[in-house]
Amino acid sequence: KQEVTQIPAALSVPEGENLVLNCSFTDSAIYNLQWFRQDPGKGLTSLLLIQSSQREQTSGRLNASLDKSSGRSTLYIAASQPGDSATYLCALFMFSGGYNKLIFGAGTRLAVHP
Amino acid sequence: NAGVTQTPKFRVLKTGQSMTLLCAQDMNHEYMYWYRQDPGMGLRLIHYSVGEGTTAKGEVPDGYNVSRLKKQNFLLGLESAAPSQTSVYFCASSLAFAGGYNEQFFGPGTRLTVL
Repeated sequence: KQEVTQIPAALSVPEGENLVLNCSFTDSAIYNLQWFRQDPGKGLTSLLLIQSSQREQTSGRLNASLDKSSGRSTLYIAASQPGDSATYLCALFMFSGGYNKLIFGAGTRLAVHP
Repeated sequence: NAGVTQTPKFRVLKTGQSMTLLCAQDMNHEYMYWYRQDPGMGLRLIHYSVGEGTTAKGEVPDGYNVSRLKKQNFLLGLESAAPSQTSVYFCASSLAFAGGYNEQFFGPGTRLTVL
């Protein structure tokens, strides 16, 4: 059974720091990995999608990497800002239990203070 | 273009009461999903639908029923609510899976408390 772990569970940093969020998974038979942002009381916003054949994706100050062989992905946020404060979720898309599905980690809650 | 909308945003129920959560999407997506999110856990799939008139069980379907009578709507029903169903419920939709992943778009969520 696929297990997705996100470390740390919570993180508080001063504005301007570069930071790394980690996502690890136990089954490498995935189609892709996706990073989402969740603001309090809001839905999920997709940040980056990495296909299983890719190593990384970049969007602005965000860079996500994927190493299937080691079962790890990282989300790198450069020059963090207070507006980056949110919960970040990683999710794997794979065929499991008879159907295709997204399997989510529990998230990392990020607070960036001025 | 509203995307994915959910009704209601908040609800408090007593044990044993019933209710229906409504999800609507205006993107002409074939697939729709219902998830629940509990503290300290990721989202878990309750039920999903791959087209109008079809539904299927996800990871945690017990205690819930769904219907997809119209392509744009996906209803989640609780026939007899239990405190264990206190959660935040998210609806999502996507284009059909055709050999490649199509991004799921999420609604804002419904916060349900069962007393």
